[in-house]
Amino acid sequence: GDSVTQMEGPVTLSEEAFLTINCTYTATGYPSLFWYVQYPGEGLQLLLKATNSDDKGSNKGFEATYRKETTSFHLEKGSVQVSDSAVYFCALSEKTSYDKVIFGPGTSLSVIP
Amino acid sequence: DGGITQSPKYLFRKEGQNVTLSCEQNLNHDAMYWYRQDPGQGLRLIYYSQIVNDFQKGDIAEGYSVSREKKESFPLTVTSAQKNPTAFYLCASSIQLSGTEAFFGQGTRLTVV
Repeated sequence: GDSVTQMEGPVTLSEEAFLTINCTYTATGYPSLFWYVQYPGEGLQLLLKATNSDDKGSNKGFEATYRKETTSFHLEKGSVQVSDSAVYFCALSEKTSYDKVIFGPGTSLSVIP
Repeated sequence: DGGITQSPKYLFRKEGQNVTLSCEQNLNHDAMYWYRQDPGQGLRLIYYSQIVNDFQKGDIAEGYSVSREKKESFPLTVTSAQKNPTAFYLCASSIQLSGTEAFFGQGTRLTVV
């Protein structure tokens, strides 16, 4: 079945550091890919998405590129802020079959001043 | 504003009691989901529904029940058969099950006392 793997956390960075959170997936079809963010005590919010290979999703300084050849969708940000501290989830949804959204285990990020 | 509303935000239950968590959406989405999240953990799928009057078990359906009598509503009942119900419960919806992003409510924190 489909699955999503993320790098283990927690990740701790200093403010203005470069962020990469790795995400790889296994899919039987050709999925859409997503990154979600969860702040403490809240639900998940969609951060960015990509539908086709080589598409780049971007939002609030975060970027991720859909790489079908390496089945990856790594999240990057050039300069993190304390307000970026949250849990980040990579997810996929198959486009050609009716099935649930598959989430990765989440990566906790703490940004210290 | 369109969105997903979960209520209540905090819920306390005595052992042996059933309790129902509410989830309402006005996004005109066909698909709805219930997830459970334990501290420091990822999301685990309880039930999902593609359409009114139809729903499927997720990975941890035992001790839970749902109904989908209206497109807008997908209530979750935590029964006394659920041995460890204390958790954060998240409801989500998407336009359809294939290829589209999910939108989340703010969650309900259930505590058994």
